Amino acid sequence: GQQVMQIPQYQHVQEGEDFTTYCNSSTTLSNIQWYKQRPGGHPVFLIQLVKSGEVKKQKRLTFQFGEAKKNSSLHITATQTTDVGTYFCAGRVGYSTLTFGKGTMLLVSP
Amino acid sequence: DTEVTQTPKHLVMGMTNKKSLKCEQHMGHRAMYWYKQKAKKPPELMFVYSYEKLSINESVPSRFSPECPNSSLLNLHLHALQPEDSALYLCASSQAPPPGGSMTEAFFGQGTRLTVV
Repeated sequence: GQQVMQIPQYQHVQEGEDFTTYCNSSTTLSNIQWYKQRPGGHPVFLIQLVKSGEVKKQKRLTFQFGEAKKNSSLHITATQTTDVGTYFCAGRVGYSTLTFGKGTMLLVSP
Repeated sequence: DTEVTQTPKHLVMGMTNKKSLKCEQHMGHRAMYWYKQKAKKPPELMFVYSYEKLSINESVPSRFSPECPNSSLLNLHLHALQPEDSALYLCASSQAPPPGGSMTEAFFGQGTRLTVV
């Protein structure tokens, strides 16, 4: 079955440092979505990438979709304590449902 | 209104109890989902309803019984659960994809934190 691998599982940074999480799929994805879940909260949609090689930015967050549509990354520049949470990628093959990666838990120390 | 509302927020039930989780959205979404999330794990899909019909059941035990009374409501009926069923149960909704189109974002509710004792 479809698998979406996500690394690292956990990262602890100092405020102001950059952070990146990576997703890799065993199959070509029709699209990939990114969600953020704060501790004790629910997943909140961040963005969807559909096109090969697509790059999208949201303020300090940069999202990339690989040329082969099998990998994706989320990069946060100059982290802030408000960035704390678990970041999930979720990939979709065709019309199938989303398959979530295991998530990357980000801790930011002030 | 871009909210998915779930009730109750917390539920403690015994293994012989029958209870129901409720989910409501008013965004006109025609796809609704139940996910189960254990601590420090990603959401795991349980059921998908598309246009009020069950389209996907991810081999979920029969002690979980979903129901979609109308396009805005989704229920999850619980009966004879086990302690290992304790988890956060998340409801989500999205637009159902048009033919040849891709899915849009999913909106998640805040979840029901279920404890089975």
